[in-house]
Amino acid sequence: EPEVTQTPSHQVTQMGQEVILRCVPISNHLYFYWYRQILGQKVEFLVSFYNNEISEKSEIFDDQFSVERPDGSNFTLKIRSTKLEDSAMYFCASSGEGQGPQHFGDGTRLSIL
Amino acid sequence: GEDVEQSLFLSVREGDSSVINCTYTDSSSTYLYWYKQEPGAGLQLLTYIFSNMDMKQDQRLTVLLNKKDKHLSLRIADTQTGDSAIYFCAEIRGGGTASKLTFGTGTRLQVTL
Repeated sequence: EPEVTQTPSHQVTQMGQEVILRCVPISNHLYFYWYRQILGQKVEFLVSFYNNEISEKSEIFDDQFSVERPDGSNFTLKIRSTKLEDSAMYFCASSGEGQGPQHFGDGTRLSIL
Repeated sequence: GEDVEQSLFLSVREGDSSVINCTYTDSSSTYLYWYKQEPGAGLQLLTYIFSNMDMKQDQRLTVLLNKKDKHLSLRIADTQTGDSAIYFCAEIRGGGTASKLTFGTGTRLQVTL
C-alpha cells in the first residue's frame, strides 16, 4: 500500500539554526499538509498546500516557517531560525481530495537544544 | 466550544468491546476520522465516516455518528492487546481547497489481560 515517507526520523539542532524536514507524499495525491505534535499534546495543523501554493496556514506558521515542493515528489518544511519551543514531532500528510482522508507519515522528531 | 473533546483514558479487558467517544464542533464537517497512534509512531488512519451516514462497520470497527448531538464514537469489538494505543478523532474544518484536520485530545486505550 502506498505510504507517506518522512526523513529524517529524528533531527537534533542547535537553537537558531535552520532545519529542513522532508516528506515524500503518496504519488498521485495533490493536497499536502504539515502538522505538529508537542510531546503529550494534541496534533495541531500548521499548513496546507495545493497547486504549488499555500492553501491555509495556522497562527503557528509564522514567518520563520516555509514550505516548498521543489520537484514532483518532495514536500519540505523549513524552519529558518529554530527556537526551543519548536521541539515537537512533525507530521506530513497527503490526500487525493481536498476534503478526503489524509494519510500521515511516521513523523520527524525535532529536538532543539 | 472550539475543541474536539475526548475522554483521556479507557481501560478494557482483552476480548471485551471498547467504545471511544468524541464530541466535535463543526456541523458542516463532511468527513469525520479516527486515527490510531502507537507509542513513538505516526498516525494511522483507521476509518472514517461521511457526514450523511449514521453508521459504518469495518471488520471489528464500528463508527456511529449522531449529527444532532455532534457525537462520534468508535467501537472496537473483541479488543486485543495490539489495540493498545492512543485514538484520535478528527474533523475536517473549512470549506477551502485543502481543508485542515482538527484533532481531539486523544483517548489512551489500555487493554489488560
